[in-house]
Amino acid sequence: EVQLLESGGGSVQPGGSLRLSCAASGFTFSSYALSWVRQAPGKGLEWVSFISGYGDSTYYADSVKGRFTMSRDNSKNTLYLQMNSLRGEDTAVYYCAKDGGGSYGGFDYWGQGTLVTVSS
Amino acid sequence: DIQMTQSPSSLSASVGDRVTITCRASQDIGRWLAWYQQKPEKAPKSLISVASSLQSGAPSRFIGSGSGTDFTLTISSLQPEDFATYYCQQYKGYPYTFGQGTKLVIK
Repeated sequence: EVQLLESGGGSVQPGGSLRLSCAASGFTFSSYALSWVRQAPGKGLEWVSFISGYGDSTYYADSVKGRFTMSRDNSKNTLYLQMNSLRGEDTAVYYCAKDGGGSYGGFDYWGQGTLVTVSS
Repeated sequence: DIQMTQSPSSLSASVGDRVTITCRASQDIGRWLAWYQQKPEKAPKSLISVASSLQSGAPSRFIGSGSGTDFTLTISSLQPEDFATYYCQQYKGYPYTFGQGTKLVIK
């Protein structure tokens, strides 16, 4: 059974930093790309970042480029999102999502999410 | 960036109804489109990928169709558990983008 479990969320002041983790199980971790997707309170879904299976390719939304860094440790089956220079508009539930892979794509599994609140 | 526009934004329907949600892309995305269902305070769940391929475990009453710029999600016979918000998403190119969502409520 595929499981994605995010952690690391919490409250932080504007300008602060936070590191999210996503522990994965139930699939061959290094074979799949992963993304972070966020959802501000009461709002829709916003894709944040992508990383390839071996971590050699990353892409970011313009809204986080230069502030957020996505990485993965395939030996630990864990995905990370380092968030720096946080702003109020970064307040959201952050989900990690597994790429469907192969000929399908999309996100076939999602974690339960972790809440990040940026406020003074 | 590719813009995704869903319609309607909200939809009122009854159990047993057939409903259709539309998603339009601002440029040709082929069939690189997914549909998700989200219930309040829960993570999204995958329903459809590559426009019409049903995700394992998703009920067969969910039917996706379309290609290019115009796509639809049809629920053939609404069940009580289907009342939720639905999102389309393109993954033709980065940044991946979502539609604004369609909230399906009980009439």
